[in-house]
Amino acid sequence: EIVLTQSPGTLSLSPGERATLSCRASQSVTSNYLAWYQQKPGQAPRLLIFGASSRASGIPDRFSGSGSGTDFTLTISRLEPEDTAVYYCQQYGSSPLTFGGGTKVEIK
Amino acid sequence: EVQLVQSGAEVKKPGESLKISCKASGYSFTNYWIAWVRQMPGKGLEWMGIIYPGDSDTRYSPSFQGQVTISVDKSITTAYLQWSSLKASDTAMYYCARLPSGRYPNWLDPWGQGALVTVSS
Repeated sequence: EIVLTQSPGTLSLSPGERATLSCRASQSVTSNYLAWYQQKPGQAPRLLIFGASSRASGIPDRFSGSGSGTDFTLTISRLEPEDTAVYYCQQYGSSPLTFGGGTKVEIK
Repeated sequence: EVQLVQSGAEVKKPGESLKISCKASGYSFTNYWIAWVRQMPGKGLEWMGIIYPGDSDTRYSPSFQGQVTISVDKSITTAYLQWSSLKASDTAMYYCARLPSGRYPNWLDPWGQGALVTVSS
């Protein structure tokens, strides 16, 4: 199975700053089939990005995804207070589906 | 609107059985895979397994094979996750989520609101 490692574990930034979250796979992700989710406290996860770089419906354009092969990045260009959440990557290029351990984003 | 509505919180004792549900609406239930995901307290997301309601084709994560059973009732567009003998370590939030097409594997969207299962003596 593909192991996804997310870094950093926690990111503490100020509103308006840029957040860069990393997701590294133990082997190449087929066809860049990688998704990103946002989970706010007490809520279910919400899809942000699929196919490594395609934004899901209704997701603000300050969220962007990039990368290929084994290295993927989620960028939040201008942090807003409501972006406080844990962000997970997930690969769906091969079975079983696997998730990264998450990156917690805190807004100062 | 595509919606997945899960059953409510449960408190059970070790050794008891449990079946939680995920009611789907707003789309053709039999044409999309539904997945179950576990989130233990303060931890990350773990994929448990998946079912295709059209023919009940079911796949389990190796970590959960033999520990839970996933099923559907097409007549009421509902998916289920069940345990025959709960353990304290089953305490977690459980989410159902739909895959966006008939293809597996795939991303998960949308998600149900979650069902909290607490197992304690």
